[in-house]
Amino acid sequence: DTAVSQTPKYLVTQMGNDKSIKCEQNLGHDTMYWYKQDSKKFLKIMFSYNNKELIINETVPNRFSPKSPDKAHLNLHINSLELGDSAVYFCASSQDRKTGNTGELFFGEGSRLTVL
Amino acid sequence: GDSVTQMEGPVTLSEEAFLTINCTYTATGYPSLFWYVQYPGEGLQLLLKATKADDKGSNKGFEATYRKETTSFHLEKGSVQVSDSAVYFCALRKSGGSYIPTFGRGTSLIVHP
Repeated sequence: DTAVSQTPKYLVTQMGNDKSIKCEQNLGHDTMYWYKQDSKKFLKIMFSYNNKELIINETVPNRFSPKSPDKAHLNLHINSLELGDSAVYFCASSQDRKTGNTGELFFGEGSRLTVL
Repeated sequence: GDSVTQMEGPVTLSEEAFLTINCTYTATGYPSLFWYVQYPGEGLQLLLKATKADDKGSNKGFEATYRKETTSFHLEKGSVQVSDSAVYFCALRKSGGSYIPTFGRGTSLIVHP
């Protein structure tokens, strides 16, 4: 079984559309993340969420919103897509560092979004 | 705030060459340090980690030693293979406070036969 799974793997859409990317983890972790990776492989944290708090990177446009129906899922919803949103989006999970774990992240395989 | 600085790539080597990818960090307290690897078309996966000063992480022939005095965690491998071609990310995670890890910008490694 895949530990962190994302769907869809590829997404091609027109500017102005709304789209969602789903993420599920079966590791029992309490923290999930969304990262954006640009064409130069730079990773930018967008959101992190556990059962206590949501932390939003203030540079992320409010067209992006995380939705967590339960502890094992953190979906990414994007409104009014723009050309600059084209990137690979990675979901990840971990156990909160404060519980004594070393805190490594487990990543999904990525969702490549192309906005035309 | 916390930061991780990696050498810029791409690093291009011939097979069986020695590899070093430099990583230095700035952080308060005692972070855990990580190297992640991203193979083409895949997500990041943990390569190795070290949780305290002087610890050495190792995996698949790669090694890195947590050097608190130089705030460094350089990645080394004695003999690279074509299959090691990937992007390597250095990262840190604090022992307290924010649990969000800090990643370096990544270093692309290209190994030629």
